[in-house]
Amino acid sequence: GAVVSQHPSWVICKSGTSVKIECRSLDFQATTMFWYRQFPKQSLMLMATSNEGSKATYEQGVEKDKFLINHASLTLSTLTVTSAHPEDSSFYICSASNYDEQYFGPGTRLTVT
Amino acid sequence: AQSVAQPEDQVNVAEGNPLTVKCTYSVSGNPYLFWYVQYPNRGLQFLLKYITGDNLVKGSYGFEAEFNKSQTSFHLKKPSALVSDSALYFCAVRAFGGYQKVTFGIGTKLQVIP
Repeated sequence: GAVVSQHPSWVICKSGTSVKIECRSLDFQATTMFWYRQFPKQSLMLMATSNEGSKATYEQGVEKDKFLINHASLTLSTLTVTSAHPEDSSFYICSASNYDEQYFGPGTRLTVT
Repeated sequence: AQSVAQPEDQVNVAEGNPLTVKCTYSVSGNPYLFWYVQYPNRGLQFLLKYITGDNLVKGSYGFEAEFNKSQTSFHLKKPSALVSDSALYFCAVRAFGGYQKVTFGIGTKLQVIP
């Protein structure tokens, strides 16, 4: 089956710094990728939808200037958390889509100290 | 707007007994329905999906789910629970097309008691 990877799997950063998370589709081209966030003991909430070569569409309440999403190629999307704060600590999961199906990455745990 | 309801925060079942994790959904048009499992500090693992065809869908690790259109339900089942099945289970729905966003339920914690 199709594989989606995320890097890093775990990152700790200091408050005020920025961190970039990569999402790659390893064996298929994904014109659309989705970014989700999961708080402890809660469900996954869609943050944004990114289409290759265009600006991401953010869900209501998600700060687009804080969570920068770039989808520069058909196999790579990045999420950059800018000026991170402890409340940004969370589990971030991406999914990559071909026409028929979405495939989820393993997730990235971000801890902001 | 599409939505998923998982009415039980936690389900406890004795090892060897059958288990059911409930899910109901709402979506425009024909639903694509999914079950995922998440172990602590891990990502989502795909269990099974319903797109069309037989209402009883078989998936990974002996799990199955029954699609009921009239009740808009997609309950997850397993005939005999294992301790290793203990995890967090998410039901999800989206409309037709891989570009459609997926909406997840809040998750149900399954605890299998030895």
